[in-house]
Amino acid sequence: NAGVTQTPKFQVLKTGQSMTLQCAQDMNHNSMYWYRQDPGMGLRLIYYSASEGTTDKGEVPNGYNVSRLNKREFSLRLESAAPSQTSVYFCASSELLSGANVLTFGAGSRLTVL
Amino acid sequence: GNSVTQMEGPVTLSEEAFLTINCTYTATGYPSLFWYVQYPGEGLQLLLKATKADDKGSNKGFEATYRKETTSFHLEKGSVQVSDSAVYFCALSFSSGSARQLTFGSGTQLTVLP
Repeated sequence: NAGVTQTPKFQVLKTGQSMTLQCAQDMNHNSMYWYRQDPGMGLRLIYYSASEGTTDKGEVPNGYNVSRLNKREFSLRLESAAPSQTSVYFCASSELLSGANVLTFGAGSRLTVL
Repeated sequence: GNSVTQMEGPVTLSEEAFLTINCTYTATGYPSLFWYVQYPGEGLQLLLKATKADDKGSNKGFEATYRKETTSFHLEKGSVQVSDSAVYFCALSFSSGSARQLTFGSGTQLTVLP
């Protein structure tokens, strides 16, 4: 049971390059999320998808785009990377458990933009 | 908007010491409250949750009680172990609507020394 799988685990980009972070979940969850984690700032929501076919902006969407390819997959794209996007990125999916929206996270993708 | 404030770290304790990590929240309505734990190099994992006032979440010796009067959800453990060394995040969410996504505190780094 893989849970949430993110690729790649590590990536180094030059300013202006583009890349896509891939995420897939095998738990049949409807909702998926992309967060970024920066020191001292906790996790901040970039985009989320409440269900297949829908996406919404989170707290820090600028510079990113997302695609909910199907129920399993939710990708995050950086069209023109900037050093401010150096961060650790986490994908998550969620289900309702006992009335609470519980998230399951991937292992993270560490991105460095030079 | 919704927000979570947790005590700043880092926190360093000796093995078998008592642990408290404070967490308070601001929200309109009555959210579900969570503690997530992040071990080095890994994604976040759900530690415990509570969905309504006076609920106590517990797991692996950790406990937290949902206090509506003080809008708090402090994490406690009576006797910490070296293996508890990790970053702990307090979070809130609602079970439906656009606020379904988690809002996180900034995290508290815990180091337990043998």
